[in-house]
Amino acid sequence: QKEVEQNSGPLSVPEGAIASLNCTYSDRGSQSFFWYRQYSGKSPELIMFIYSNGDKEDGRFTAQLNKASQYVSLLIRDSQPSDSATYLCAVNSGGYQKVTFGIGTKLQVIP
Amino acid sequence: NAGVTQTPKFQVLKTGQSMTLQCAQDMNHNSMYWYRQDPGMGLRLIYYSASEGTTDKGEVPNGYNVSRLNKREFSLRLESAAPSQTSVYFCASSEGGANYGYTFGSGTRLTVV
Repeated sequence: QKEVEQNSGPLSVPEGAIASLNCTYSDRGSQSFFWYRQYSGKSPELIMFIYSNGDKEDGRFTAQLNKASQYVSLLIRDSQPSDSATYLCAVNSGGYQKVTFGIGTKLQVIP
Repeated sequence: NAGVTQTPKFQVLKTGQSMTLQCAQDMNHNSMYWYRQDPGMGLRLIYYSASEGTTDKGEVPNGYNVSRLNKREFSLRLESAAPSQTSVYFCASSEGGANYGYTFGSGTRLTVV
């Protein structure tokens, strides 16, 4: 079982809709959670991080964390074609060696 | 403000050749990392440097060596390249460690033939 699971997609949503990206993790001791956006052929870019249960909002992005169920999600409201990218979930279960990345979910926003 | 700069951007090596990937950051970050990204496998940590003067192995260190030359620079060396090392390599840095997000360089696409 992979430590951080993501559906590779692609997830297709129409422009203006809400895109929901999900990630589950196996280590209950995980402490911090990150979402990176990676455009094709480019490097990952940090867009959100969350440490506590609940929601964290930043503009059109909302990160949601549920430690009891061991999942973290990213909602993108009013999706735009420019949001089309692969979204990587990363989980830190303690220490430099314990940051595990998921394989990423490819999001396609259809105009 | 350049952030994290990696060189070269592309490289083709023959099996058995050696090379060094260079990485420099100008954000005064303490921690630096080398990752490789392969299709279907996600980013995997090769080596990291928690602070100047220290380096440690990550998940996939075999076949690689690193040098933390100073606070700004962290290089990755392939002593004898193998086809299995064909990958995209990313250098990253963070302000304080694994609980902080990472800033990635633009990557090096390496092909070993």
